Amino acid sequence: DQQVKQNSPSLSVQEGRISILNCDYTNSMFDYFLWYKKYPAEGPTFLISISSIKDKNEDGRFTVFLNKSAKHLSLHIVPSQPGDSAVYFCAVYPLNAGNNRKLIWGLGTSLAVNP
Amino acid sequence: NAGVTQTPKFRVLKTGQSMTLLCAQDMNHEYMYWYRQDPGMGLRLIHYSVGEGTTAKGEVPDGYNVSRLKKQNFLLGLESAAPSQTSVYFCASSNWGFTDTQYFGPGTRLTVL
Repeated sequence: DQQVKQNSPSLSVQEGRISILNCDYTNSMFDYFLWYKKYPAEGPTFLISISSIKDKNEDGRFTVFLNKSAKHLSLHIVPSQPGDSAVYFCAVYPLNAGNNRKLIWGLGTSLAVNP
Repeated sequence: NAGVTQTPKFRVLKTGQSMTLLCAQDMNHEYMYWYRQDPGMGLRLIHYSVGEGTTAKGEVPDGYNVSRLKKQNFLLGLESAAPSQTSVYFCASSNWGFTDTQYFGPGTRLTVL
């Protein structure tokens, strides 16, 4: 039973437009959220994170929005560039899980930004 | 500053063979992790370590052992490889915990025949 769902396996957008990647989670105990991106034949790299006390965090072209009531977060990339083409993973963490601490990862969304 | 390196990059094993995957980090990080990535399964934590000399089980530890004898190295062992262990293995490290930025190695692609 997936606790973190990225329901779109793939997404294609035009260069310069907005990319919106979505992530849903099932457990309200999760209170820290991260996005990683992964290029082929490389390991994932950290992109941006947000804690549950915020509803938005920005870093340059990347913004993460958190809707706690809907248990939903999204990553916005504006403007999208061809170099953003990668697989994006959502990961969640329960800060008060005691000994059961671990990141729980979504399956990823493959983003293609077309020139 | 190489970051996180993994050895080897590729390996093919026969069922029942053993091998050790080596992960090394030069960032003086306390935490180190071993993940596996399978199609349709995302990243799953195998084992992790919160410091030199410590190890702990993750989500899918069966069939694997680990050791952290030196702070910079985290070894993943397969004592008797099975086809179900065919996967891409990633090592990662972070400074102070799971929510700290995890730095990943490039991965090891393992095939067990």
